[in-house]
Amino acid sequence: DVVLTQTPPTLSATIGQSVSISCRSSQSLLHSNGNTYLHWLLQRPGQSPQLLIYLVSRLESGVPNRFSGSGSGTDFTLKISGVEAEDLGVYYCVQGTHAPTFGGGTKLELK
Amino acid sequence: AVQLVESGGGLVQPKESLKISCAASGFTFSNAAMYWVRQAPGKGLEWVARIRTKPNNYATYYADSVKGRFTISRDDSKSMVYLQMDNLKTEDTAMYYCTANWGYWGQGVMVTVSS
Repeated sequence: DVVLTQTPPTLSATIGQSVSISCRSSQSLLHSNGNTYLHWLLQRPGQSPQLLIYLVSRLESGVPNRFSGSGSGTDFTLKISGVEAEDLGVYYCVQGTHAPTFGGGTKLELK
Repeated sequence: AVQLVESGGGLVQPKESLKISCAASGFTFSNAAMYWVRQAPGKGLEWVARIRTKPNNYATYYADSVKGRFTISRDDSKSMVYLQMDNLKTEDTAMYYCTANWGYWGQGVMVTVSS
């Protein structure tokens, strides 16, 4: 199985601060069709997950553009440019190139 | 508006069976790969099962932890996806979410396996 390692496990930020979350894969996530099926989700407390970024860097409709994704192969990053209070929760990367697996999650807290 | 609504959860004993359902609306269900994802209390997300679309022969895939015990199915005429869970174990206790291509998610249904 593909293992996704997210760091850091916990992130403390002030409002307006920019932060990054890393997601590293044990195998390349480049599919033979040329797509890289690496996505980012946010799960706010008590809520279902929601999609933020799909295919590494594509912003889901309705998601603020302070969220951005980058990376290739085995190394990926989610960046939040100016944290807002509504961004608090647990962030997960998920890959669908192979049998789906999730990263362990990164909890974003207010400092 | 897009909606995914799970139902059928509850408390069952080990080795028993349970079938949960997910009703979809607001998008072209027949075009969407459907997944079941679960989350044990206080834990992270775990993929459970996937079913592809008719052009892909409704191919199904399972996590090793449930292979041979769980069965995913869909009824495009009703915009429904199901998860039949047999021989349940205490470690299957979790909130179960259905999701369409990771972009739409239901509110989840709780399944508790306990004697």
